[in-house]
Amino acid sequence: KQEVTQIPAALSVPEGENLVLNCSFTDSAIYNLQWFRQDPGKGLTSLLLIQSSQREQTSGRLNASLDKSSGRSTLYIAASQPGDSATYLCAVYSSSASKIIFGSGTRLSIRP
Amino acid sequence: DGGITQSPKYLFRKEGQNVTLSCEQNLNHDAMYWYRQDPGQGLRLIYYSQIVNDFQKGDIAEGYSVSREKKESFPLTVTSAQKNPTAFYLCASSIVGGVGYGYTFGSGTRLTVV
Repeated sequence: KQEVTQIPAALSVPEGENLVLNCSFTDSAIYNLQWFRQDPGKGLTSLLLIQSSQREQTSGRLNASLDKSSGRSTLYIAASQPGDSATYLCAVYSSSASKIIFGSGTRLSIRP
Repeated sequence: DGGITQSPKYLFRKEGQNVTLSCEQNLNHDAMYWYRQDPGQGLRLIYYSQIVNDFQKGDIAEGYSVSREKKESFPLTVTSAQKNPTAFYLCASSIVGGVGYGYTFGSGTRLTVV
């Protein structure tokens, strides 16, 4: 059974720091992995989508990597800003389950 | 701009009442999904539909019902059989099951039992 874990559940860092959010999954049989951002009381905004054949994707200050063999993905945020404060969720499209499975998210707080 | 519209943003339900949450998309996506989100928990799949007039139960379908009469619309009804309906509900859509394309989400509906 595919399980997706995000650790830590919460993270607080000062503005300007580079940081890494982690996502791990138990079954390497995935089609893709997607990182989302969720602001309080809002829906999910897609940040990056990595296909199973890709190693990384970049968008602005964000870089997501994927290592299927070890069941890990990281979201790297460069030069963090207070506006980056949100909950970040990763989701894998599991080929065995034929659906996407979400992690519980990391709540990120950037201190000015 | 294409996207997913959920309404209302806030909804209050009395005990024993059925309520319907609206989800409309203009992305021409084939598949649509309903998720429930509770504080501190991940998203849980309620129902999904990959084609008009067809839908499947997700992990927590009890107490909910859906219809898919149009490609653009996938309303969710929270029935009186759902004993703990207070939660944040999110609708999503994708192209043919989302393989390779990812999911697009609406802005959510917060349902509260009063």
